[in-house]
Amino acid sequence: NAGVTQTPKFRVLKTGQSMTLLCAQDMNHEYMYWYRQDPGMGLRLIHYSVGEGTTAKGEVPDGYNVSRLKKQNFLLGLESAAPSQTSVYFCASKGTPHSTYEQYFGPGTRLTVT
Amino acid sequence: LAKTTQPISMDSYEGQEVNITCSHNNIATNDYITWYQQFPSQGPRFIIQGYKTKVTNEVASLFIPADRKSSTLSLPRVSLSDTAVYYCLVGSPIYNQGGKLIFGQGTELSVKP
Repeated sequence: NAGVTQTPKFRVLKTGQSMTLLCAQDMNHEYMYWYRQDPGMGLRLIHYSVGEGTTAKGEVPDGYNVSRLKKQNFLLGLESAAPSQTSVYFCASKGTPHSTYEQYFGPGTRLTVT
Repeated sequence: LAKTTQPISMDSYEGQEVNITCSHNNIATNDYITWYQQFPSQGPRFIIQGYKTKVTNEVASLFIPADRKSSTLSLPRVSLSDTAVYYCLVGSPIYNQGGKLIFGQGTELSVKP
């Protein structure tokens, strides 16, 4: 099992450009999440999904869109990148048991917007 | 999700036991206490979760007093590889739709030789 993988690992964008980050999991998990982490801070939830075809907003959704067309994939899109979106982006997934907060995280994508 | 307070940083030496305490005065009846570990340039990793008393796994122990207003993560005989940021989170995965996590700043543990 690869677990949770993220593509790409690094990316540099110019202000106004768009891009899509891909998250894939092979654990058949229902729940998937996108977080961002800025230097010296904890993770902040951007969007999440409780199943294929569903998405919901987290703490900091502005400037991002997501899609969950397949159960194993969760895409994060930036339509018009801004320097404030320079960050490390983590994807995570969780199985269905409601009694646990155990999420599995990917290795992260480091994004720089100039 | 209840607010948590934990030390910003801690230092230790190899072979020592490390205890990181987290305060959560407003914990609700249905809330669980969960700890994550994050190494530099990696995503967080689930360590342990508990509701009351003591929970132990192969990595750590979690001590929760009867009033549940605080909890202590105990790492036995730490090594240099335990240098990481440790996050304490409190919430109810049962009633929290989507199992959302709210991360604070965490405790940066530095283990020295």
